[in-house]
Order: sequence, then C-alpha cells, then structure tokens
Amino acid sequence: EVVMTQSPATLSVSLGERATLSCRASQSVGSDLAWYQQKPGQAPRLLLLDASTRATGISARFSGSGSGTEFTLTISSLQSEDFAVYYCQQYNNWPPLTFGQGTRLEIK
Amino acid sequence: EVHLVESGGGLVKSGGSLRLSCAASGFTFSSYNMNWVRQAPGKGLEWVSSISSTSAYIYYAASVKGRFTISRDNARNSLSLQMDSVRDEDTALYYCATGVGATHPSCFQDWGHGTPLIVSS
Repeated sequence: EVVMTQSPATLSVSLGERATLSCRASQSVGSDLAWYQQKPGQAPRLLLLDASTRATGISARFSGSGSGTEFTLTISSLQSEDFAVYYCQQYNNWPPLTFGQGTRLEIK
Repeated sequence: EVHLVESGGGLVKSGGSLRLSCAASGFTFSSYNMNWVRQAPGKGLEWVSSISSTSAYIYYAASVKGRFTISRDNARNSLSLQMDSVRDEDTALYYCATGVGATHPSCFQDWGHGTPLIVSS
C-alpha cells in the first residue's frame, strides 16, 4: 500500500499571501496524484489531477507540481474562501487508492 | 450539471446490514467508473470501493472486502453499496463519487453530499 504523508498538519497563512502544501508518497506514483479541497460540512472538491492539471472550473491561483514521491500544492494570493482542509490522493498503485491525512489551512 | 444523491444511510447494529444507493444525473453514467469513499467523524478520507463502467472490474479496500458489495445499474443510473456484517469502525459519512475514466480507478471528479452510517454496538 502506498502511504501518503502530508505536511504540515496545519498551516497558518495571511490573506493575500502564498500557501505551499506538501505531499509525499512512500513509493513512486509517477504523476498520478490528485489534490482536493474540503470545507466544513461539504463534500471534497477535486482541484488538480495528474499532479498539475487543474480540474474544470478551478482558479488559476491553484497550481501543482512534482512527480515520483514529492508533490506540492501552491495557492497564490490566498482568499477567505481558500481556508479549508486539503487532501492529496494517489492513483498509481491500487488497490487501494490512498489519501494523505490532510492539511488544514487556516487564517493567520 | 453532474448530480449525485446518496441515500440509505442510518443507524444499524454491529453485525447488521444496510444498503446505500446513489442516484446519478447530468452525465452519461454508463461511461464512467464509480466509487464509494467514506469519512469517519472528524477524520480524513478513505477509499472504499470502485466499479468500472460495465461492472467488469470491481475493487475493494481490504477493510471492507468480503463484507461490502458494490454494484451499478446503468439503465437506472444508479450505484449501490451493500454493507453486511458492519462494524463500529464502519461508522462514517459515505460519499458516492465519479471516476475520471471508464475502467480503472483513478481520482474522483464529482461527489455527492454523502449519506451517514452509524453503527451501534
């Protein structure tokens, strides 16, 4: 099973600043990596797939990079609606499909 | 617009059974892999099961294999999860989610709002 580890667990960033979230895989997953955003009381929303491809309707402020075992989600110029929990998920080695434990992005 | 509506959740005793359903609309259901993903209270996301567009390929998480059965009815645009021998650790909000492709599990494009399962011992 591929274990996904996200860091940090909580990230405090000011409005208008940039946030950088990390995700590490226990073995190479190529570029088969997705990022999701989840707000309280809501279902997750797909942000990025294939490590760097924005899903339909996702703002260009969200960008992804990385391949193999190290991945980054960058959110530029944070807005109030961006504060949420973010999950990474690999779909290279399955079953099982595996998620990271999440990073909570909060307002500083 | 894609619309996924889960139903069937509720309170069940440990060892009991329950069947979840997901009604899909707004897209060509028969062309997509479908999935169940769950989230225990206050916890992260956990993949449960996937089924390919024609039901030819079915996969389960080890934690539910042998107890849960995923199925779909393309004529009715519906997805189901039969849950037998439920355990306390199955307590979670269960989401129905579309896959990106037709055959193999991948990432989850669209999500329903979830239906809750509470297992009481």
